[in-house]
Amino acid sequence: AQTVTQSQPEMSVQEAETVTLSCTYDTSESDYYLFWYKQPPSRQMILVIRQEAYKQQNATENRFSVNFQKAAKSFSLKISDSQLGDAAMYFCAYLDTGTASKLTFGTGTRLQVTL
Amino acid sequence: NAGVTQTPKFQVLKTGQSMTLQCAQDMNHEYMSWYRQDPGMGLRLIHYSVGAGITDQGEVPNGYNVSRSTTEDFPLRLLSAAPSQTSVYFCASSRPSRGAANIQYFGAGTRLSVL
Repeated sequence: AQTVTQSQPEMSVQEAETVTLSCTYDTSESDYYLFWYKQPPSRQMILVIRQEAYKQQNATENRFSVNFQKAAKSFSLKISDSQLGDAAMYFCAYLDTGTASKLTFGTGTRLQVTL
Repeated sequence: NAGVTQTPKFQVLKTGQSMTLQCAQDMNHEYMSWYRQDPGMGLRLIHYSVGAGITDQGEVPNGYNVSRSTTEDFPLRLLSAAPSQTSVYFCASSRPSRGAANIQYFGAGTRLSVL
């Protein structure tokens, strides 16, 4: 079974600074997707960014980017120019192409943004 | 533009009571899933469906029943609630599409307490 590990239960960043959240995963598959979801206090799960394993280029979405290292099975999220609204729980998630409705989540990283 | 709608948002049950958590999506998605979120454990898959009439078990299916009679609806039934089922429940839907990377869209969640 696939596993996703987020080793940082909590992180803190100052407004306008950059922070990187770590995620590692374990799989024997070669074709899969990786996601970062944000969960603010409202509890809503919001997709931040996604990466297809067959693409070597790292995904970017405005201030959010990933460092995808397929051989190392690592998928970190970098948030640049952090804003107060970025404060939330962040979950890394894995999906392989053969089980398209079954996401496997990490335990989450709580990000605090300070002034 | 409703997306995935879950009802109710909050529920308190007594041990042994039964109830149904409702989930409906208006995006004509084939795939639907139920997850539970417990503190420190991320989201875990309960049951999922890849189309009307087809359901299967996820990681933590015990104590829950599902059925999928229509594409739009995927209710989750608790037959005899137990305190261990106190959790936040999320419904999600997605479309099998390589180009869209099988993005799962989440409902707002149901917070369930079993006394």
